Amino acid sequence: AQKITQTQPGMFVQEKEAVTRDCTYDTSDPSYGLFWYKQPSSGEMIFLIYQGSYDQQNATEGRYSLNFQKARKSANLVISASQLGDSAMYFCAMREVNYGGSQGNLIFGKGTKLSVKP
Amino acid sequence: DAGVTQSPTHLIKTRGQQVTLRCSPISGHKSVSWYQQVLGQGPQFIFQYYEKEERGRGNFPDRFSARQFPNYSSELNVNALLLGDSALYLCASSLEWGIEKLFFGSGTQLSVL
Repeated sequence: AQKITQTQPGMFVQEKEAVTRDCTYDTSDPSYGLFWYKQPSSGEMIFLIYQGSYDQQNATEGRYSLNFQKARKSANLVISASQLGDSAMYFCAMREVNYGGSQGNLIFGKGTKLSVKP
Repeated sequence: DAGVTQSPTHLIKTRGQQVTLRCSPISGHKSVSWYQQVLGQGPQFIFQYYEKEERGRGNFPDRFSARQFPNYSSELNVNALLLGDSALYLCASSLEWGIEKLFFGSGTQLSVL
């Protein structure tokens, strides 16, 4: 079964520091997509970054990058230069391209909390 | 442009009642998905609709149903509410079916007493 694992406890980081949030996944499908979303206290899930399983390069989106290690089945999120607005829950998610005929549903991990201090 | 909008934002119901949650996708988006997020967990997939047809269903009982209207808005219905249905219900939209990037609304917080 497809599974996303996020086991890091919540952490505090100083503003402007870099931080990594870990994610491991399990799937038997060779074609899949990996996502990171952030959820501030308002409840909205905000898309951060996407990595396709066949992408040769690690994905980057502004201050966010994804450290994709396919053989280890890990997809860690790296945030450079943390900002106060980065304080939120961070969720790793996976979508299997041909899962049950549906191409839209995401499987989420339990999330990991990040708090940025001034 | 407006993002994904959901209504109501908060709702309190009692066991056995029925509830309807509403979602308006981003203008031009044709696919809508529903997720349930229990406190302390990640969201769990309930339904996906594209062009008014159900394209995916998660592991939820038949008490959960949904539909998509011609204007691509969607409703999620839950019958015979249980205490365990208390959760944040998130709606997400995407331009087409299978597009990677989902845009989420802020959710409806449902409390069942």
